[in-house]
Amino acid sequence: GAGVSQSPRYKVTKRGQDVALRCDPISGHVSLYWYRQALGQGPEFLTYFNYEAQQDKSGLPNDRFSAERPEGSISTLTIQRTEQRDSAMYRCASSQGETQYFGPGTRLLVL
Amino acid sequence: AQSVAQPEDQVNVAEGNPLTVKCTYSVSGNPYLFWYVQYPNRGLQFLLKYITGDNLVKGSYGFEAEFNKSQTSFHLKKPSALVSDSALYFCAVRDGGGYNKLIFGAGTRLAVHP
Repeated sequence: GAGVSQSPRYKVTKRGQDVALRCDPISGHVSLYWYRQALGQGPEFLTYFNYEAQQDKSGLPNDRFSAERPEGSISTLTIQRTEQRDSAMYRCASSQGETQYFGPGTRLLVL
Repeated sequence: AQSVAQPEDQVNVAEGNPLTVKCTYSVSGNPYLFWYVQYPNRGLQFLLKYITGDNLVKGSYGFEAEFNKSQTSFHLKKPSALVSDSALYFCAVRDGGGYNKLIFGAGTRLAVHP
């Protein structure tokens, strides 16, 4: 079946603009995760949803970052007033059990 | 606090030789351990996991990993490396006590030479 999909795959934006990153999980997967990966680093946890409930947002770096999953399926990660330090690969994963399956990621570049 | 260490930035192996990519972890409860592989311009692909049971777990593409509780290690191994195994490998740990987030190591680049 289809895996996790993310859009856009690449996003170039100017500092101060808002961006919205989309994640479409594997059908039927209850849990959805967002991670951020800087160059040369492993992914770092941002937030986690169980169905539509945001269970853990401890990894969101500041209040410019928010995420939602209103119908328990597609999720959107929004970054307001982007800064150059927000440039990274943003990865989404979904799971039904212990194993998280990752999408291809969205590479964000803030100029 | 949970943490994962991958002590080698890069591992170089000749094709046909055995390979080992090292991982050690720190977690407060029982660990759930994972290996993922990242090929260029692609997402993270799940390779294998240890949750409970046999310490030696087998995964995709002929890879296996051995859980060693006393050494808090979960090294990735393959008996005979292929050039196509060249990629970036990540070890990850999750606290089995109910917290779902994965903590990743910094990654190890595996280069298999013909």
